[in-house]
Amino acid sequence: GENVEQHPSTLSVQEGDSAVIKCTYSDSASNYFPWYKQELGKGPQLIIDIRSNVGEKKDQRIAVTLNKTAKHFSLHITETQPEDSAVYFCAARHQNNNDMRFGAGTRLTVKP
Amino acid sequence: GAGVSQSPSNKVTEKGKDVELRCDPISGHTALYWYRQSLGQGLEFLIYFQGNSAPDKSGLPSDRFSAERTGGSVSTLTIQRTQQEDSAVYLCASSLALAGPYEQYFGPGTRLTVT
Repeated sequence: GENVEQHPSTLSVQEGDSAVIKCTYSDSASNYFPWYKQELGKGPQLIIDIRSNVGEKKDQRIAVTLNKTAKHFSLHITETQPEDSAVYFCAARHQNNNDMRFGAGTRLTVKP
Repeated sequence: GAGVSQSPSNKVTEKGKDVELRCDPISGHTALYWYRQSLGQGLEFLIYFQGNSAPDKSGLPSDRFSAERTGGSVSTLTIQRTQQEDSAVYLCASSLALAGPYEQYFGPGTRLTVT
């Protein structure tokens, strides 16, 4: 089955700096890659996603890149703010299965 | 509109007791998913429903776990004879359809503590 690895497990940046979180997946048949933000005591919230027919997608300060050949995708947050502090999860969905495999999460801390 | 709701938000139970966790998906969403999140860990997929049927139950960790969905809406996850290792946050998500769009919307979770 699909295996998703996520790095780093923790990331601390200064306010205004950029943050990058990377994920790799094992199954080349995965075709949908969402990123979720989870704040303390809440369920994960979708912040951005990318499909396998696209290499990059941007939404304001957040961007995601996908390299299908290398089977990795990354989340980029620019001009980080303290409210970006949360746990971020990547995930991969197989095109034929209907379960989503998640990475182990990255705890991002943005220091003011 | 209303998002995914789950109840109870917290549940403390004694080892060996049965528990039922409830998920109410977003209205009109035909696909429903259950995940488990252990402390400081990622999300472990348990089971999904398309309508009332659950084609793949292989993610359930043991035969003590079962789930059902009636009327294509509310789902319950039942854990029988709970064990301490069952302690986790149980998250439910729904999406418009399995075939796409794929975006899953999560509920706030049920924190289960087995003492």
